Amino acid sequence: DGGITQSPKYLFRKEGQNVTLSCEQNLNHDAMYWYRQDPGQGLRLIYYSQIVNDFQKGDIAEGYSVSREKKESFPLTVTSAQKNPTAFYLCASSLTGKYTEAFFGQGTRLTVV
Amino acid sequence: QKEVEQNSGPLSVPEGAIASLNCTYSDRGSQSFFWYRQYSGKSPELKMFIYSNGDKEDGRFTAQLNKASQYVSLLIRDSQPSDSATYLCAVKSLIGSNYKLTFGKGTLLTVNP
Repeated sequence: DGGITQSPKYLFRKEGQNVTLSCEQNLNHDAMYWYRQDPGQGLRLIYYSQIVNDFQKGDIAEGYSVSREKKESFPLTVTSAQKNPTAFYLCASSLTGKYTEAFFGQGTRLTVV
Repeated sequence: QKEVEQNSGPLSVPEGAIASLNCTYSDRGSQSFFWYRQYSGKSPELKMFIYSNGDKEDGRFTAQLNKASQYVSLLIRDSQPSDSATYLCAVKSLIGSNYKLTFGKGTLLTVNP
């Protein structure tokens, strides 16, 4: 089936550790996005990418890093510099262009312990 | 000024009533507008999209766009308990050569039987 796969579904991290969240899509989409959602809040954009080997900072990029080495994959690393990383992380993808909708993965819930 | 703002919730309506969800955006050059529905603990799913001024209807749902006022709305007629969810407004804008998809904080809708 075509879709977006995020893994793991739940992730626990100790303070001071870096963790990487996986996002893979087989929809042949060029654009990919990472969002963070806190309880009762909307989605805040962390990073986005329109093509391989190119990505842009979103509104809350500090403490995060990404790579886009393959069209299908857009992993997000939450670094120790991110002061409050506990949140629900959502990956999305879309065709490029102004009239295209984004499809979401099932999310990764990260908890710092 | 936040890029995408939604009317503060939560919004509670009785079954069969009309629910009205509102959204304003700051970038006058924004090009496409989306309403996503998110059930608790799940990822967002597209409900409606609109690109041109006016109304767009899909069953009980109507999206309205007024670019001059930078305003988007979603009307739900004959509201059902299954419509209870958080509704997220999203706006796609061209930043340089990349499309950025920005979300509002969402409005929690509860439809009471």
